[in-house]
Amino acid sequence: GAGVSQSPSNKVTEKGKDVELRCDPISGHTALYWYRQSLGQGLEFLIYFQGNSAPDKSGLPSDRFSAERTGGSVSTLTIQRTQQEDSAVYLCASSFKETQYFGPGTRLLVL
Amino acid sequence: AQSVSQHNHHVILSEAASLELGCNYSYGGTVNLFWYVQYPGQHLQLLLKYFSGDPLVKGIKGFEAEFIKSKFSFNLRKPSVQWSDTAEYFCAVMLNAGNNRKLIWGLGTSLAVNP
Repeated sequence: GAGVSQSPSNKVTEKGKDVELRCDPISGHTALYWYRQSLGQGLEFLIYFQGNSAPDKSGLPSDRFSAERTGGSVSTLTIQRTQQEDSAVYLCASSFKETQYFGPGTRLLVL
Repeated sequence: AQSVSQHNHHVILSEAASLELGCNYSYGGTVNLFWYVQYPGQHLQLLLKYFSGDPLVKGIKGFEAEFIKSKFSFNLRKPSVQWSDTAEYFCAVMLNAGNNRKLIWGLGTSLAVNP
């Protein structure tokens, strides 16, 4: 496709369950970023990939959060044992010439 | 820690009014600067960006922004807004240090334009 795609668009889960969020970047973009957008807190950086490696994981809020990227393309963000405070919109961006292009996000609600 | 501050959280204007949204950042080094817009029900879109050169940059839909290095500011302007400009506007800063080009974001400004 022409842009960054993310799935699912919405996810409702119960506290304690694991969730997996997917990001398909724009073809050819080597850098990929995950951000979280929470009410009243703006966007916060989670993790950055260059190719398949993640040189900077400093934004992951806890060890329940992990991410991987395979084939220099698709990335998945996994949240284990979800908590209510994990409810947010999770945004993925792929980057070309230092400009980031965003997907539509996954809206996660933890009940 | 580096931060981005957007002074106006909610702005309400009538059509044809002029717009200026403030953005200041705290970082002493070289930065790349961005304004993104999020229209209702849509995803973040790049409005304009500044990397170097002319500090007055023009973006899509008649928007422009001016980088004033001495004031650490990158204010967004539009001479005459339209109803279709109703959206959330985000200022973001990219630090030119290291390989991680993460964006540091302001909290956003919600703009409502009345027809």
